[in-house]
Amino acid sequence: QSVLTQPPSVSGAPGQRVTISCTGSSSNIGAGYDVHWYQQLSGTAPKLLISRNTNRPSGVPDRFSGSKSGASASLVITGLQAEDEADYYCQSYDSSLRGSYVFGTGTKVTVL
Amino acid sequence: EVQLVQSGPEVKKPGESLKISCKASGYTFTTYWIGWVRQMPGKGLEWMAIISPVDSDTRYSPSFQGQVTVSADKSTRTAYLEWNSLKTSDSAFYFCARHGETLFDHWGHGTLVTVSS
Repeated sequence: QSVLTQPPSVSGAPGQRVTISCTGSSSNIGAGYDVHWYQQLSGTAPKLLISRNTNRPSGVPDRFSGSKSGASASLVITGLQAEDEADYYCQSYDSSLRGSYVFGTGTKVTVL
Repeated sequence: EVQLVQSGPEVKKPGESLKISCKASGYTFTTYWIGWVRQMPGKGLEWMAIISPVDSDTRYSPSFQGQVTVSADKSTRTAYLEWNSLKTSDSAFYFCARHGETLFDHWGHGTLVTVSS
């Protein structure tokens, strides 16, 4: 059972803006640990999308952005494109589970 | 280019043992830990363990402690995930990933493990 909660699904038309939330607690995001985001296209391995809350690795389009506030984080996709249809996961570190890395529950983004 | 190449799909029976591999290239193997992540069919990602290739220091998720064993061979730049006695519930995709600080920045393509009688 994940300690990071995400909405199961979000959807939007091409060109629209969608936001995925990642809600944690005082032992993970709220404790100041970084949040990272991964994109998993159907049938493929996850790919690092946003590192350390707000940073885009080389090659990631600037329509993807991340933020963090308190015990929550968000991933925003502006100008949604068909190729953005995928599962998205947040990930952080949790100090309450004998030091564990934790993933969010995952969010399916559907492009209408 | 950083690459993590995982071993091929496996079909096993309950109670059998299994060791899958993850061979790294394109970077200094001993500079980063290697992590393992499970994804059961149609489900999300679950962190299992990480291992340091330098000294094989390991950290396990409480959910997987005692269920699996991770190891690494720095001479062959390869990390391993091993089961002594598989269960049907171990059927899943298993990903290795390069672990830097608190994130996983490069991932293998995954190994599908099917356990069925």
